[in-house]
Amino acid sequence: GDSVTQMEGPVTLSEEAFLTINCTYTATGYPSLFWYVQYPGEGLQLLLKATKADDKGSNKGFEATYRKETTSFHLEKGSVQVSDSAVYFCALYDGGTSYGKLTFGQGTILTVHP
Amino acid sequence: EPEVTQTPSHQVTQMGQEVILRCVPISNHLYFYWYRQILGQKVEFLVSFYNNEISEKSEIFDDQFSVERPDGSNFTLKIRSTKLEDSAMYFCASSELETQYFGPGTRLLVL
Repeated sequence: GDSVTQMEGPVTLSEEAFLTINCTYTATGYPSLFWYVQYPGEGLQLLLKATKADDKGSNKGFEATYRKETTSFHLEKGSVQVSDSAVYFCALYDGGTSYGKLTFGQGTILTVHP
Repeated sequence: EPEVTQTPSHQVTQMGQEVILRCVPISNHLYFYWYRQILGQKVEFLVSFYNNEISEKSEIFDDQFSVERPDGSNFTLKIRSTKLEDSAMYFCASSELETQYFGPGTRLLVL
């Protein structure tokens, strides 16, 4: 079945550091890929998405490129801020095998210190 | 900006009691979903709903769970006889196509 694997957390960085959160996936079809963010005490917010190979999703300084050859969708940001502290979830939608279901990774906790 | 809303934000119930979690999806969306997140664990898919019927459900979504769209705006999840292991955050989501937008969640605690 479909699965998403994220790098183990938690990740702790200083403000203005470079961020990478790794995400790899397995899917039987041609999935769309998403990053969601969960700020403390809040729900899941869509951060960015990519729907086909080589697409780059971007939002709020975050980027991720859909790499079909390595089945990856790593999240990056050049300079993190304290306000980026949150839990980040990689997810896939495999429209070819299931109708609407998002499969999530385990989430990566990011803490950014001043 | 339109958003998915959920009520209540928190619910405490006794084991064996019925609970109904409510959601108001984004108004022009046609696909609706419930997920749950047990504390410290992954977000897990429960059920998807389209055209007034369940389109897919997970193995978690057994006979004690049901969903309903009782009117043109609400989407509900009912748990008939709650168990301790049903304690979790329950998220509703809706979509027009494949991108799902989530509500803030209902934290359910079963004692």
